[in-house]
Amino acid sequence: GESVGLHLPTLSVQEGDNSIINCAYSNSASDYFIWYKQESGKGPQFIIDIRSNMDKRQGQRVTVLLNKTVKHLSLQIAATQPGDSAVYFCAENGGSNYKLTFGKGTLLTVNP
Amino acid sequence: GAVVSQHPSWVICKSGTSVKIECRSLDFQATTMFWYRQFPKQSLMLMATSNEGSKATYEQGVEKDKFLINHASLTLSTLTVTSAHPEDSSFYICSARKGLNNEQFFGPGTRLTVL
Repeated sequence: GESVGLHLPTLSVQEGDNSIINCAYSNSASDYFIWYKQESGKGPQFIIDIRSNMDKRQGQRVTVLLNKTVKHLSLQIAATQPGDSAVYFCAENGGSNYKLTFGKGTLLTVNP
Repeated sequence: GAVVSQHPSWVICKSGTSVKIECRSLDFQATTMFWYRQFPKQSLMLMATSNEGSKATYEQGVEKDKFLINHASLTLSTLTVTSAHPEDSSFYICSARKGLNNEQFFGPGTRLTVL
C-alpha cells in the first residue's frame, strides 16, 4: 500500500539554528497533512497542518511547506530550542475524511 | 480544549492474561476514536477505528478477536488485549476525532509489558 516516508531519520542542530524536517508522501489522493511532535514516552502533539489547496502555512516558529508536484512536505522550525528535541512525524489522510497514515519519524536533537 | 486521557499509563502483566486500556475524551464528544500501536523507534501504526455504537473497523493484519474494541459512549473507547503475549508488548496510543475535522487529538499512551 501507499505510505508516507521520511528522508532523514535523525537531525542534529545547534540551539538557535533553523531546522528543516522533510517528508515524502506517495498517496496522491491525500489532501490533508499534519505534523506531530512526540516526546519520549508521550503521545503525539499537534504542531501544524495544511490542506492541499495551500502550499505554505505558518505558525509560531514553525512553517509547513507542501509541494504537491513532487509529493513533498517539510516542517521548518525557526530558532530551534532544546525543548524542540523530539521525534517529528508527518501524517496524511489519504483522501479519507478521518484516517491518518504516519510517516517513519525524524529524531531532532538540539544541542545547547 | 480537546483533551484525551488514557488509563492506565503503564501496565505489566503475565503472558496469557487480558488487559483493558481506556481512552477518554475529557472535554468533547468523539464519535470516532482510533487505536494505534507503536513499537520502539518506530512510527504509529493504526490498528482500528472505533465508532460509537457500532463495530470497530480493523486494519489489515490486526486480529479483531485478540484486540477487542468497545466504544460504548461518545467519550469512552476501550481496547482489550486478550491472552496477551510478550510480542504484544508495545506503546498503545488512542486518538479522538473532534467534530467533522480530520484533526485527531491524541492520548498520552499506555505502555504494555507482557512478561
